[in-house]
Amino acid sequence: DTEVTQTPKHLVMGMTNKKSLKCEQHMGHRAMYWYKQKAKKPPELMFVYSYEKLSINESVPSRFSPECPNSSLLNLHLHALQPEDSALYLCASSQDLPGQNYNEQFFGPGTRLTVL
Amino acid sequence: AQSVTQLDSHVSVSEGTPVLLRCNYSSSYSPSLFWYVQHPNKGLQLLLKYTSAATLVKGINGFEAEFKKSETSFHLTKPSAHMSDAAEYFCVVEYYGGSQGNLIFGKGTKLSVKP
Repeated sequence: DTEVTQTPKHLVMGMTNKKSLKCEQHMGHRAMYWYKQKAKKPPELMFVYSYEKLSINESVPSRFSPECPNSSLLNLHLHALQPEDSALYLCASSQDLPGQNYNEQFFGPGTRLTVL
Repeated sequence: AQSVTQLDSHVSVSEGTPVLLRCNYSSSYSPSLFWYVQHPNKGLQLLLKYTSAATLVKGINGFEAEFKKSETSFHLTKPSAHMSDAAEYFCVVEYYGGSQGNLIFGKGTKLSVKP
């Protein structure tokens, strides 16, 4: 299995809702990432997990809460989001840890989130 | 510090003609460089990566890129464009900040292919 899967593909939520995004990879990768991508912009890094531990948090608001239950699974819990949080949320994984040479990341198809 | 600049925000070509997407980088180290492609409403797919083994890197779907250290460039080319190549292309450099390396993305180049 050489892909990263994400569910759901689309999500519409109100500002008072609580929802979760899910990401899964079965390539034995040691690092997993969450990115946020607004329209016509490059992805922006949100979080990095290395060996299931949070290693990078790019000053993301607390209404986004990541979780890594095991080496294959990465969740992003959402609570009290704002309309400006509407975006494509991408998950990625890499064989090696951040900072290793030529450490390509494999991206999932993303979850299109709309906050009403 | 590392950075990457994509020189064109939009490139339009006719089907069957060559494609050139330009990228310049800045890096204090021997860089790790990648090109990713993103089709509308899709995730990112790796086209190719520079690993220092060869300056001319061949990727998927007929794309290739040449690493030129003297020009600090990593331009993406394809001899003959296909309609399915229409997408957003990102040039990416890997950032080394101690142990907290991650990817630095260019702003992207939108490739349009006319019939």
